[in-house]
Amino acid sequence: EMVMTQSPATLSVSPGERATLSCRASQSVSNNLAWYQQKPGQAPRLLIYGASTRATGIPARFSGSGSGTEFTLTISSLQSEDFAVYYCQQYNKWPPITFGQGTRLEIK
Amino acid sequence: EVQLVQSGAEVKKPGESLKISCKGSGYGFSIYWIGWVRQMPGKGLEWMGTIYPGDSDTRYSPSFQGQVTISADKSISTAYLQWSSLKASDTAMYYCAKIGAGGSFDVWGQGTMVTVSS
Repeated sequence: EMVMTQSPATLSVSPGERATLSCRASQSVSNNLAWYQQKPGQAPRLLIYGASTRATGIPARFSGSGSGTEFTLTISSLQSEDFAVYYCQQYNKWPPITFGQGTRLEIK
Repeated sequence: EVQLVQSGAEVKKPGESLKISCKGSGYGFSIYWIGWVRQMPGKGLEWMGTIYPGDSDTRYSPSFQGQVTISADKSISTAYLQWSSLKASDTAMYYCAKIGAGGSFDVWGQGTMVTVSS
């Protein structure tokens, strides 16, 4: 069974600083990895797919990297609207499709 | 504009049946997979299953197989998620989402809150 593990569970960062979120897969997913942002009371929004390709309309401060089992989402200079929960998701040879448990990004 | 619009919030009693919907617009509904995702209160995202509206090919997560039924009517660009006998543990927000490049969910519905309580 594929397991996606995100770390840390909560990340406290000041506005303007860089945030680095991690996602690890229990087995290789190649580059079939997506990142989502979810704000309270809203549906998730696709940020990154293919591990590193920004979705339409996503600002350049969001970047994704990694392949195989280790992935990173970096937000280069945090804006107030970036504080939210972030999920990774693998879709390698789905089904199944698997989400990580999420990282809460909060204001320090 | 590509959109998925879900049916409204539901309040049901344990043992009742329910069918919620997800209507697509602005794209070729029949040729893109649609997935359903559960989010229990205060928790993360769980993939439930996915359907290809063109031929109704459906794949379920083992956790939800036999617990729900996913269907679609391509003639009206609508996907469905249904329960035959709800439990209190089915209380959650349910999202539909279109699968885009490869397998990521590129467009999401607004969510349907289902509350099951006696």
